Formats: sequence, C-alpha cells, structure tokens
Amino acid sequence: EIVLTQSPGTLSLSPGERATLSCRASQGVSSTYLAWYQQKPGQAPRLLIYGTSSRATGIPDRFSGSGSGTDFTLTISRLEPDDFAVYYCQQCANSFTFGGGTKVEIK
Amino acid sequence: QVQLQESGPGLVKASETLSLTCTVSGGSMSSYFWSWIRQPPGKGLEWIGDIYYSGSTRYNPSLKSRVTISIDRSKNQFSLNLSSVTAADTAMYYCARDPRDYSSGLYGVDYWGQGTLVTVSS
Repeated sequence: EIVLTQSPGTLSLSPGERATLSCRASQGVSSTYLAWYQQKPGQAPRLLIYGTSSRATGIPDRFSGSGSGTDFTLTISRLEPDDFAVYYCQQCANSFTFGGGTKVEIK
Repeated sequence: QVQLQESGPGLVKASETLSLTCTVSGGSMSSYFWSWIRQPPGKGLEWIGDIYYSGSTRYNPSLKSRVTISIDRSKNQFSLNLSSVTAADTAMYYCARDPRDYSSGLYGVDYWGQGTLVTVSS
C-alpha cells in the first residue's frame, strides 16, 4: 500500500499570502494518479486537482499542482477567505489512499 | 448535473452489519467506478472500496474481509455492506463517482454524495 504523508499538519496564513502544501508518497506514483481535494466543515470533499496539475472544472487558477515521483505540491497563490479549509492528496496508482490532510487556517 | 444520495440506518449495533445504498441521478452509471469513502469524526478520509459498472470490485485491504459492494443498474444504485462493525466504524460515509478516464486523464473523485453519519452503538 502506498502511504501519503502530508505536511505541514496545519498551516497558519493570512488572506493574500501564498500557501504551499506537501504530499510525499512512500513509493513512486505516476503523476496521472495524484489528485488533491478541499474539504470545508460539514461538507463533502471537492476535487481541485487531478493528474498532479490539471484543475478540475470550475477551480480558479490560483490553485496549482506540481510534482513527480514521490513529492507533490499544491500551491494556492493568494489565499482568499474561502480557501481556509482542509486539503487532502490522494493516489490511485496502487489501490487507493488519501493523505492525512493539511489544515489551512487563518493566522 | 450528477447527484449522489446515501441512504440507510444512522445507528447500527456493534457486531451487526452496516448497510448503505447510494442512488445516482442526473447521469449514467456506465463507464464509471463507484466508490465508498468514510471519515471518522474529526479525522481523515479512508477509501473503503469501489465497483465498476460491470460489477468488478476492489476493496481496501484493511477492510476487505468485512466489505461487500454491489450494484443494481436497473435502479441506478450501488450498495455497501460492512459486517461485524465496532465503534471504530463510526464515521461519515460518502458515496462517490470516480471516472478513472484514460482519455481525459481524470483519475479522481469528481462527484460526492453529501454523506451519511453512521454511529455504531454498543
């Protein structure tokens, strides 16, 4: 099973700042099979990024994904109030696993 | 617009079987994978398993011995059975769609149900 480790656990930032979230895999993951989700309290997760760097429908371009092999990154270029949430990475190259999540909170 | 709706008991007794159904509307079930994902209160997401339209299934190895996912194409529904539940199975249970589409490269869960909270009581 591929284990995804997300860091940091919590990111405290102010609106307008840049957020950089990390997802590290226990073994290599093809970039095709790496996705990112946003989850707000009381809501189901929402797909943000698939295939490492492709934005899902309706996702603003301040969200971007990058990476390869075992290291992947989600970047939010300028945080807006609506972006404070928990973010999960997920792989489906080998079975299907989620990372533990990164909470982006208002500083 | 595709919509998914979970249904089933919100309370299950320990050692019994948790049974949930997901009804899909606004789109076809064909050519997609249909997943169950859960989230214990205050914790992260855990994939339980999925079923392809054809009926082939994959399960999380840690739950495989207790999980059965089935599909009823005539009703546009798929279901989850989780046997021998314990308090550790208390969670929000989501049903979801996974296109896993080679041509578009869309590998990810693009539609989710609102979730249903299942509590296991002793």
